[in-house]
Amino acid sequence: DAGVTQSPTHLIKTRGQQVTLRCSPKSGHDTVSWYQQALGQGPQFIFQYYEEEERQRGNFPDRFSGHQFPNYSSELNVNALLLGDSALYLCASSTLGVAGVYEQYFGPGTRLTVT
Amino acid sequence: RKEVEQDPGPFNVPEGATVAFNCTYSNSASQSFFWYRQDCRKEPKLLMSVYSSGNEDGRFTAQLNRASQYISLLIRDSKLSDSATYLCVVNKGTNAGKSTFGDGTTLTVKP
Repeated sequence: DAGVTQSPTHLIKTRGQQVTLRCSPKSGHDTVSWYQQALGQGPQFIFQYYEEEERQRGNFPDRFSGHQFPNYSSELNVNALLLGDSALYLCASSTLGVAGVYEQYFGPGTRLTVT
Repeated sequence: RKEVEQDPGPFNVPEGATVAFNCTYSNSASQSFFWYRQDCRKEPKLLMSVYSSGNEDGRFTAQLNRASQYISLLIRDSKLSDSATYLCVVNKGTNAGKSTFGDGTTLTVKP
C-alpha cells in the first residue's frame, strides 16, 4: 500500500517565478492538506482540499493556490515567489482513526529553494 | 502568544531514562490532539493520537488535561532511536482541517 507521495523532492526557483508541487494521497484517503515548514519551526497549515474544493485555509496570501483532481491527487501552486517562500512543503492525507478523529499521514515533502 | 507552545529543548538524556514533554494550547474549543515525531529533514510521522482518558502505546504514554489546556508525552526506557523532534498538534475539530503544530521539542538520547 503506497503512502503519500510528492513530487518533485527538490526544486530551485528564482524570485518572481511560479512553481507547482504535486501530491498523491494514501490509498483510500480523500482529503489532502498542504503545509509549509520553515527551518526550526513546526508545519504551518496552508489549505485543505476535499471533494475537489478548498475546504479550509490558513493565513497564506492568494499567491498560494491549489487544486484537487477527481482521483484525490492535489497540486499546490505558488506565484511570484519570494525568498521567504523557501521551505519544506508537506502534503498530508487523512482518514478516520479508531477514536473517531481524522489522523493525518505526511508525504516526504518538496524542498523548495528560492534564490 | 502562539496557539500551541512547546519547550524547544533540547532534552539530552541517557539510554534507559524516562523523559516527559509538555505542550500547551490556547484555544479551549480544541477537539483533537496528536503527537508526531520528525527526524532530521524528514516528514512528520504520527506517533499517537491523544484521547481524553489518556492512552499508552508500548513505552509511550500520552495524557490530555482539558482544564489546564495541555497535553503531555512520556517516554519510558529511552532508546537511541527515540532521538528526534516531537511535535504537538491540536485541531479545532475532529476532522483533520487546520491543524496547528507546535515548533517541536528536540530529544537526543545518548549511550
